[in-house]
Amino acid sequence: KAGVTQTPRYLIKTRGQQVTLSCSPISGHRSVSWYQQTPGQGLQFLFEYFSETQRNKGNFPGRFSGRQFSNSRSEMNVSTLELGDSALYLCASRGVGNYGYTFGSGTRLTVV
Amino acid sequence: TQLLEQSPQFLSIQEGENLTVYCNSSSVFSSLQWYRQEPGEGPVLLVTVVTGGEVKKLKRLTFQFGDARKDSSLHITAAQPGDTGLYLCAGADYSGAGSYQLTFGKGTKLSVIP
Repeated sequence: KAGVTQTPRYLIKTRGQQVTLSCSPISGHRSVSWYQQTPGQGLQFLFEYFSETQRNKGNFPGRFSGRQFSNSRSEMNVSTLELGDSALYLCASRGVGNYGYTFGSGTRLTVV
Repeated sequence: TQLLEQSPQFLSIQEGENLTVYCNSSSVFSSLQWYRQEPGEGPVLLVTVVTGGEVKKLKRLTFQFGDARKDSSLHITAAQPGDTGLYLCAGADYSGAGSYQLTFGKGTKLSVIP
């Protein structure tokens, strides 16, 4: 079966702009989580969605937001981009009863 | 805030050698997962350990969960160049109603030299 698909793979944006990243989970997976990965901080939890509801949120400013659609596809949005937002953004999905996540290949965001 | 400390941060060994990576925390986790990540890709789940004292083997990889469910180790026997990658441990913290979030260690970057 198809894995977790993230688009786009690479993105370059200017400070102050906003960006939307997309994630299509594995078919049948209703839980979608987002993580930010940087060399200094490693992987940090952003938020988790299940059945279109945000169940959990990490310690990130309100500029970071997300949503999930009825088909479980998810988007995350970052507004007023800062240089420090440059990172690999990873989406992961999980099936009911599963402990582990399946991650996508990520979106590499560079803010200049 | 729960933290997971991984050690060592970097490891460079010759093909055929054995190695152990450690993952420690002062917090108790419901379960602990190990992932391997290659450059430009997302992490791939290797194993989940749930019970304190649990040992799981995956070919040449042996995973152990501490009795108190605060620490874990990954042992690789006879390392091969294909084992090269970033190894990440992640502790699961359940928030209720089936929801949980993972706290990741910063990873151990392993290089196996042929």
